[in-house]
Amino acid sequence: QVQLVQSGAEVRKPGASVKVSCKASGYTFTSYGISWVRQAPGQGLEWMGWISPYNGNTIYAESLQGRVTMTTDTSTSTAYMELRSLRSDDTAVYYCARSAKYQVFYYSDYWGQGTRVILSS
Amino acid sequence: DIQMTQSPSSLSASVGDRVTITCRASQSISSYLNWYQQKPGKAPNLLIYAASSLQSGVPSRFSGSGSGTDFTLTISSLQREDFATYYCQQSDTTPWTFGQGTKVEIK
Repeated sequence: QVQLVQSGAEVRKPGASVKVSCKASGYTFTSYGISWVRQAPGQGLEWMGWISPYNGNTIYAESLQGRVTMTTDTSTSTAYMELRSLRSDDTAVYYCARSAKYQVFYYSDYWGQGTRVILSS
Repeated sequence: DIQMTQSPSSLSASVGDRVTITCRASQSISSYLNWYQQKPGKAPNLLIYAASSLQSGVPSRFSGSGSGTDFTLTISSLQREDFATYYCQQSDTTPWTFGQGTKVEIK
């Protein structure tokens, strides 16, 4: 069965960086993209970006450009999201999700359990 | 960026009720519209993709319709396990933006 298992909760100081991992299993890793979505406490969902494990192509939300890097390791079927220069409004639960495609339509059909990132000085 | 606006932001309903949630895009997105359900403390769960295609394993009481700028998620007969927050998302143009969510509560 398809599973995405994320790394554990992180506490960081403002200005630091965090790297969240997302290990995929149960499908061919390079056949689907990975999206990253975050959710601040009590708020809605914010799309952060997408990566193709097949060729490493990335698309980032403009609001995060320059601070976020998404990568994959195909040897371990793991996706990573690194966010730098953290600030208080980066406190959120970060989700990875498998990005499936039907004809020309993209959607996230399997999600990780979420990784809580807390900013605390 | 394409703005997605859901209405209402919240609603109260009873088990067995028919529930309709609306999502409007700030520009035409054809049928590039997904619906997700999220329960507290859990990851979102895909319900509908391509505006009207039911994801495998999702009960048939859920349905989606619409194209262009106006879309609807309908729950034909609300069940207790359906009390949750629902989000629409457009996948026409990156960033793939979400609506602000609609919380469905028990009346």
